[in-house]
Amino acid sequence: NAGVTQTPKFQVLKTGQSMTLQCAQDMNHNSMYWYRQDPGMGLRLIYYSASEGTTDKGEVPNGYNVSRLNKREFSLRLESAAPSQTSVYFCASSEGIAGVVGRQFFGPGTRLTVL
Amino acid sequence: AQSVTQPDIHITVSEGASLELRCNYSYGATPYLFWYVQSPGQGLQLLLKYFSGDTLVQGIKGFEAEFKRSQSSFNLRKPSVHWSDAAEYFCAVASLVDRGSTLGRLYFGRGTQLTVWP
Repeated sequence: NAGVTQTPKFQVLKTGQSMTLQCAQDMNHNSMYWYRQDPGMGLRLIYYSASEGTTDKGEVPNGYNVSRLNKREFSLRLESAAPSQTSVYFCASSEGIAGVVGRQFFGPGTRLTVL
Repeated sequence: AQSVTQPDIHITVSEGASLELRCNYSYGATPYLFWYVQSPGQGLQLLLKYFSGDTLVQGIKGFEAEFKRSQSSFNLRKPSVHWSDAAEYFCAVASLVDRGSTLGRLYFGRGTQLTVWP
């Protein structure tokens, strides 16, 4: 039972390059989330998916797109990376079913640097 | 709108001393509150949560937190800190309903960095 896995762990991009961050969970959770963490800012929600087939914007969605490929996988894409997107990215999942607020389980993070 | 404030950016304590990390929230209904811990280079791990009932909740690693509705607070405490407790701590409040599809969405505070002196 791996929990939440993320790939890659580290990535360096040049401005304008694109990349996709992968996330998978094996806990059969309905809801999945992408956060970014910047010093002194805590975690800010980029996008989330309350269930398979749905996605919604969070606090800071500009410059990102997401795909909920199936119940297990939720990917985050940077189409044209900018230095402002240098951050640590965390994927999380939770039960999040109707009427229940579940704890969130976090992946180990992806440290992204955009030059 | 939901929000969480952690007034202390950085706290330093000596090993064996007691610890209290402050958290204040803003939420229109009964809040669902969480404390998470992040060790260096790691993801976040749940320490404890409050959903309802007893306002003093116990968590892992000897931590506890007390929900005080009148003060809109959910402070984290530990009687005796260990060097391994050095980490960043995040308080969060959960949104139950937000545009009808955001069950389980968390709003995080900015974190408190804990340093433990030997």
